[in-house]
Amino acid sequence: AQKVTQAQTEISVVEKEDVTLDCVYETRDTTYYLFWYKQPPSGELVFLIRRNSFDEQNEISGRYSWNFQKSTSSFNFTITASQVVDSAVYFCALRAYTGGFKTIFGAGTRLFVKA
Amino acid sequence: NAGVTQTPKFQVLKTGQSMTLQCAQDMNHEYMSWYRQDPGMGLRLIHYSVGAGITDQGEVPNGYNVSRSTTEDFPLRLLSAAPSQTSVYFCASTKEDLGGYTFGSGTRLTVV
Repeated sequence: AQKVTQAQTEISVVEKEDVTLDCVYETRDTTYYLFWYKQPPSGELVFLIRRNSFDEQNEISGRYSWNFQKSTSSFNFTITASQVVDSAVYFCALRAYTGGFKTIFGAGTRLFVKA
Repeated sequence: NAGVTQTPKFQVLKTGQSMTLQCAQDMNHEYMSWYRQDPGMGLRLIHYSVGAGITDQGEVPNGYNVSRSTTEDFPLRLLSAAPSQTSVYFCASTKEDLGGYTFGSGTRLTVV
């Protein structure tokens, strides 16, 4: 069975701090895909990134970076120099190849960035 | 380009009533899914479709029906609403099976 755990329910930081959101996943598949989504206070859900299980290279996009480690089944998300606009709920998700098209989400981490 | 359109945005139902949540996308996406979002539980998959005429159950399918007669539309039917179905419902689509979702803006449903 697939499972995604985001153990941090809420995180509060002060603007300009770096913050890492943890994501641990479980799957028996060797081929799978991991995703991060952002849900700002307005409620819409926005796709941020996708990684496949064969590509463990870290990825950086501006202030955002993602660290994928198969050895620890983790796909962590770091925001550098956080800003108030980063305040949102962030979801990690898993889609395993043999699971069909089922995409399973974690419970989410709510990030508060204070000015 | 409207993306994924969900209607209605808000709905109040009485226990036992039935209704259909509408979802339409204009991006020619083959893959569509319905999720419900409840506090502390993230997004849970209700049903999904990999193309017109093909649907399958997700994590929490009981009490819901879907059909996919066209590529564009993927309605979610509540057969007999229960208070436990009070939630925010999101429809999502993607063009390829490996792609990230485009989500609709959600439907907030309250069952009293």
